[in-house]
Amino acid sequence: LAKTTQPISMDSYEGQEVNITCSHNNIATNDYITWYQQFPSQGPRFIIQGYKTKVTNEVASLFIPADRKSSTLSLPRVSLSDTAVYYCLVGDMDSNYQLIWGAGTKLIIKP
Amino acid sequence: DGGITQSPKYLFRKEGQNVTLSCEQNLNHDAMYWYRQDPGQGLRLIYYSQIVNDFQKGDIAEGYSVSREKKESFPLTVTSAQKNPTAFYLCASSIVPGPGRKLFFGSGTQLSVL
Repeated sequence: LAKTTQPISMDSYEGQEVNITCSHNNIATNDYITWYQQFPSQGPRFIIQGYKTKVTNEVASLFIPADRKSSTLSLPRVSLSDTAVYYCLVGDMDSNYQLIWGAGTKLIIKP
Repeated sequence: DGGITQSPKYLFRKEGQNVTLSCEQNLNHDAMYWYRQDPGQGLRLIYYSQIVNDFQKGDIAEGYSVSREKKESFPLTVTSAQKNPTAFYLCASSIVPGPGRKLFFGSGTQLSVL
């Protein structure tokens, strides 16, 4: 099972682009990389998922290098409402029950 | 609206009491999960079910029990054997099978001991 390493916390300012990097050296061939966002006293919410290269949706981009040993979540032009905990997960999505949830990255956006 | 509903939002347990947390989904998902989250930590899997009438223990199943009699419902009982039940409990669901499936979460239940 691939474990992930991500920064415990990050600060940024409104309007900036924020990049959160996740390290997953033991990623397996069948593993996907998934990011979730969690606000206090709420359940996590899916942000983005990818297997290789770059994935973009309406809220974020996910950059995955060729060796797939790391990934970077990019949040464009953040606002105060992006203050949350962000989790990077790596696993075979045929078995969600095997996912290992770390403590995530606490992102604080300042005005 | 489709989604997962957890109730109650807050729950208090007395010593020696069993309490049941409700989780209902109308997403037509086959798989359902229960997680426990302690302050400042990630989620830990308690139980999961991939089909009706079947469920499996997760990493921290001791002191908990579940049932899956209907596809839509996956209640969690916190028994008196769970000596440290104070935590935030999250229910989730996903489709089965297929790669790249995402988890959909409820809004959680905060359980505290009186």
